Amino acid sequence: GAVVSQHPSRVICKSGTSVKIECRSLDFQATTMFWYRQFPKQSLMLMATSNEGSKATYEQGVEKDKFLINHASLTLSTLTVTSAHPEDSSFYICSALVGANNEQFFGPGTRLTVL
Amino acid sequence: QKEVEQDPGPLSVPEGAIVSLNCTYSNSAFQYFMWYRQYSRKGPELLMYTYSSGNKEDGRFTAQVDKSSKYISLFIRDSQPSDSATYLCAASKGYGQNFVFGPGTRLSVLP
Repeated sequence: GAVVSQHPSRVICKSGTSVKIECRSLDFQATTMFWYRQFPKQSLMLMATSNEGSKATYEQGVEKDKFLINHASLTLSTLTVTSAHPEDSSFYICSALVGANNEQFFGPGTRLTVL
Repeated sequence: QKEVEQDPGPLSVPEGAIVSLNCTYSNSAFQYFMWYRQYSRKGPELLMYTYSSGNKEDGRFTAQVDKSSKYISLFIRDSQPSDSATYLCAASKGYGQNFVFGPGTRLSVLP
């Protein structure tokens, strides 16, 4: 299947700092990428849909000024958690849509811990 | 009512058993259905993809979609301890639209 990478895989930061997470499609171009958040033993919660060259579409309840998404190229989308707080600690996962079949492939995830 | 429902388990089976994992959904507009396997602290891995109703088989895995009853299933034959993971079902209305995920079923295959 298609390969999606994320960087970093793990990050620990102090409260109030900003953290950028990168999501890359390695062997294909991804017009559409999704960002999810997953708390322990819970399912994936969609945060936003990222479309190359346009503004991201955020799900209800997700603060767009706090979770900045940029999809500047067909292979890269970034999520920046601004002024992170301990309650932002979670597992953040991106995914990319591939091909005409609407298949969605996930990155390995980024574990964010805010102290 | 959540759009995609799934029994969270945990489900424990002996090695070699046939595993049946199921989801129900409420939105008749869903057309694309997927099953993912997620190991602890890892991203979900796409297992099976189905468009509309029908069956699809890939090795030990068979996915079924019954749109009339809004029911989707994943069968695992000859289950192995390495199949122990959380299995997530997901549904989407159309191309480019987000997928709605079930809460996942935790499966343990005991040697």
